[in-house]
Amino acid sequence: NAGVTQTPKFRVLKTGQSMTLLCAQDMNHEYMYWYRQDPGMGLRLIHYSVGEGTTAKGEVPDGYNVSRLKKQNFLLGLESAAPSQTSVYFCASSYSLTGDNSPLHFGNGTRLTVT
Amino acid sequence: GQQVMQIPQYQHVQEGEDFTTYCNSSTTLSNIQWYKQRPGGHPVFLIQLVKSGEVKKQKRLTFQFGEAKKNSSLHITATQTTDVGTYFCAGRASGTYKYIFGTGTRLKVLA
Repeated sequence: NAGVTQTPKFRVLKTGQSMTLLCAQDMNHEYMYWYRQDPGMGLRLIHYSVGEGTTAKGEVPDGYNVSRLKKQNFLLGLESAAPSQTSVYFCASSYSLTGDNSPLHFGNGTRLTVT
Repeated sequence: GQQVMQIPQYQHVQEGEDFTTYCNSSTTLSNIQWYKQRPGGHPVFLIQLVKSGEVKKQKRLTFQFGEAKKNSSLHITATQTTDVGTYFCAGRASGTYKYIFGTGTRLKVLA
């Protein structure tokens, strides 16, 4: 199994450009999450999804949009990138919220720089 | 909204010394998870605590969940260079679907 795959691994954008980050999981997980990681800030939740066709806002949703048209994919979009969105983005998924299947499985991350 | 604080932010120890990181939530948690992230890597799940006052051990690592289910700790006995990394707690409040991460504690072990 590939687990959680994020594409691309690296990207440099200019201010105002748009892009989409793709997260794909092959574990039939219901729950998917997008986090951003900045030095000294830990991981902050951007958006999450509790199942196909559903999305919800996390701690820092402004400037981002998401979609979960298929259960295995969770897309994160930046419509007009800003330097403040320079960060490492992690996607995570889990099968359930409780019990042995609740641990989050993370992708390898996307390092985004906005100039 | 739910906030999860973690202290200390950094810790440097000599190999063989003990290490503890503490996690405090602003709200009562349904469960808490601990993750380790190596430099340049992604967070990797260590353990989950669910019950009030729960204590779990993994070799040299001891995890505790507070009686009020609002705080937790991770203690490493006799640190080794392989323990280097950042340790995060992640708490989920009752009735919610989201895991909120603490700010992390970065551990450096000096040989």
